[in-house]
Amino acid sequence: QQQVKQSPQSLIVQKGGISIINCAYENTAFDYFPWYQQFPGKGPALLIAIRPDVSEKKEGRFTISFNKSAKQFSLHIMDSQPGDSATYFCASLTTDSWGKLQFGAGTQVVVTP
Amino acid sequence: DVKVTQSSRYLVKRTGEKVFLECVQDMDHENMFWYRQDPGLGLRLIYFSYDVKMKEKGDIPEGYSVSREKKERFSLILESASTNQTSMYLCASSRGTSGQQETQYFGPGTRLLVL
Repeated sequence: QQQVKQSPQSLIVQKGGISIINCAYENTAFDYFPWYQQFPGKGPALLIAIRPDVSEKKEGRFTISFNKSAKQFSLHIMDSQPGDSATYFCASLTTDSWGKLQFGAGTQVVVTP
Repeated sequence: DVKVTQSSRYLVKRTGEKVFLECVQDMDHENMFWYRQDPGLGLRLIYFSYDVKMKEKGDIPEGYSVSREKKERFSLILESASTNQTSMYLCASSRGTSGQQETQYFGPGTRLLVL
């Protein structure tokens, strides 16, 4: 049973549009929420991460929004580009867990020219 | 740059064979992880290791074992491969300060097909 539920499974967005991926969790002990980006033929790589003491974190065109009371967090990709086409995974962990991440199922994002 | 390498990109094995997947990291990381990636299921942790010769089961350890004889190398072993172990296998490492929120660095993956 996945501890982090991710949606949608796939997403098609036009160049310049906004991609939004949502994740929900149950374990209130989670205290770190990273997003990983995976291109075809490559392993995932850390994209951006947030801790629950802030509600939003922005790095370039990528923003994480975090709602602690709803136990939800989301990734927004602004001004989406074809180079953003990839699979995105949300994840969570508790700091006493040897760094063991719980991953969502992944969202395949396709940005059309 | 951290580099995590996996011994094979593609493997084809027969049911019942013993299969070894090797992973090497070059950044002196304490923690190493083995995941399998399946469509619609994301990444699921098979085993992890927080020190040489130390290992812990992840969420789906059945049918797998691991070995970590040296700090830089973490091996995943399928004792008797079965068709339901056909998957993408990803190795990762992290610096390993217990209790810290750390980046995991992934290898490129090994796509295993069991016939």
